[in-house]
Amino acid sequence: KQEVTQIPAALSVPEGENLVLNCSFTDSAIYNLQWFRQDPGKGLTSLLLIQSSQREQTSGRLNASLDKSSGRSTLYIAASQPGDSATYLCAVILNSGGYQKVTFGTGTKLQVIP
Amino acid sequence: ETGVTQSPTHLIKTRGQQVTLRCSSQSGHNTVSWYQQALGQGPQFIFQYYREEENGRGNFPPRFSGLQFPNYSSELNVNALELDDSALYLCASSLVGLGTGELFFGEGSRLTVL
Repeated sequence: KQEVTQIPAALSVPEGENLVLNCSFTDSAIYNLQWFRQDPGKGLTSLLLIQSSQREQTSGRLNASLDKSSGRSTLYIAASQPGDSATYLCAVILNSGGYQKVTFGTGTKLQVIP
Repeated sequence: ETGVTQSPTHLIKTRGQQVTLRCSSQSGHNTVSWYQQALGQGPQFIFQYYREEENGRGNFPPRFSGLQFPNYSSELNVNALELDDSALYLCASSLVGLGTGELFFGEGSRLTVL
């Protein structure tokens, strides 16, 4: 059974700081790993998708890396802004004959202080 | 804007009642999946539909059922509601087989069971 852990559970940083969020998983036979942000009471916004053959993806101030052998992914946020305050979730996706088995971590709640 | 829409956004039911939640997938996507997210937790996978057939299910009882229609819209039905069914219900659409499988989520339906 795939287990996904996100550390830390909560993080508070001053504006402008660079930060790293961690996601670890137990089954390395993944198909995709996807990072999301979730604002309170809202749906999930896709940030970055890393396919199993990729090592990292970048979008603006965000960079996500994937190391399947160690069962880890990191989300790096550069020059954090108050608007980055949200909960960040990683989702590990296995593909079994067209069936996407998705397991989420419990998230990291980020607060960026102006 | 993900192109995935869900309705209703909020609803209140009482124990024992039945509820139907609806999801309109992003155009061109062939797969829809549903998730239950309790407060402070990561989303839990309920089931997935691919080309109108359920092809994957999480650890949810049979009173959680669904449908996917030829236009790839979908319904989640929950019978005999229990207090613990109170949660945010999220649907996600993706293109499996011909695309990356990236998940796109709607804004969710907030269900309160009294």
